[in-house]
Amino acid sequence: ETGVTQSPTHLIKTRGQQVTLRCSSQSGHNTVSWYQQALGQGPQFIFQYYREEENGRGNFPPRFSGLQFPNYSSELNVNALELDDSALYLCASSLGYGDITDTQYFGPGTRLTVL
Amino acid sequence: DAKTTQPNSMESNEEEPVHLPCNHSTISGTDYIHWYRQLPSQGPEYVIHGLTSNVNNRMASLAIAEDRKSSTLILHRATLRDAAVYYCILKNTGNQFYFGTGTSLTVIP
Repeated sequence: ETGVTQSPTHLIKTRGQQVTLRCSSQSGHNTVSWYQQALGQGPQFIFQYYREEENGRGNFPPRFSGLQFPNYSSELNVNALELDDSALYLCASSLGYGDITDTQYFGPGTRLTVL
Repeated sequence: DAKTTQPNSMESNEEEPVHLPCNHSTISGTDYIHWYRQLPSQGPEYVIHGLTSNVNNRMASLAIAEDRKSSTLILHRATLRDAAVYYCILKNTGNQFYFGTGTSLTVIP
């Protein structure tokens, strides 16, 4: 069974640029959630995708957007990068409505640095 | 979003039990209590979850108060590999996990 994978591992961008982060969900999972984790803080929920549709969103501006593909992999896109976007971005997959507790399985994250 | 309160940090000696507390006084009847941990430079890892009854698995035990306003994660014999940040999270029928700042556990050899 393959776990959740994310790419790239690290990324450096400059302010104003755009970035795309990728996530492959665990086999059999149809739901993907994205989180932002600033240094020393707990992860903050960005949004969730279930069967290619956005299924809930946290308190993040519209320049944070996402996609989920038919194979349930996902992308997180961030436009007009700001210095405060520097963080670890985590992807988690789950069974979604197939699991009432929605236990989430996290990838190792992508470390984004905005200069 | 329901809130949880945890101590910022705790220490334990290796091979001794560790009790990590969590207060969740605003819990509703349908909220599941989840615990995750995050080892350094890794994504969070599922530990255990429960609703009303105490739960055991190979990693830990979860003790839930009768009124469900608090819970305790129990690591029966702490090892150096258990050093991590432990998050207590309430999950309802919605689709969002809300992480607090968690408890940073230090295990002393």
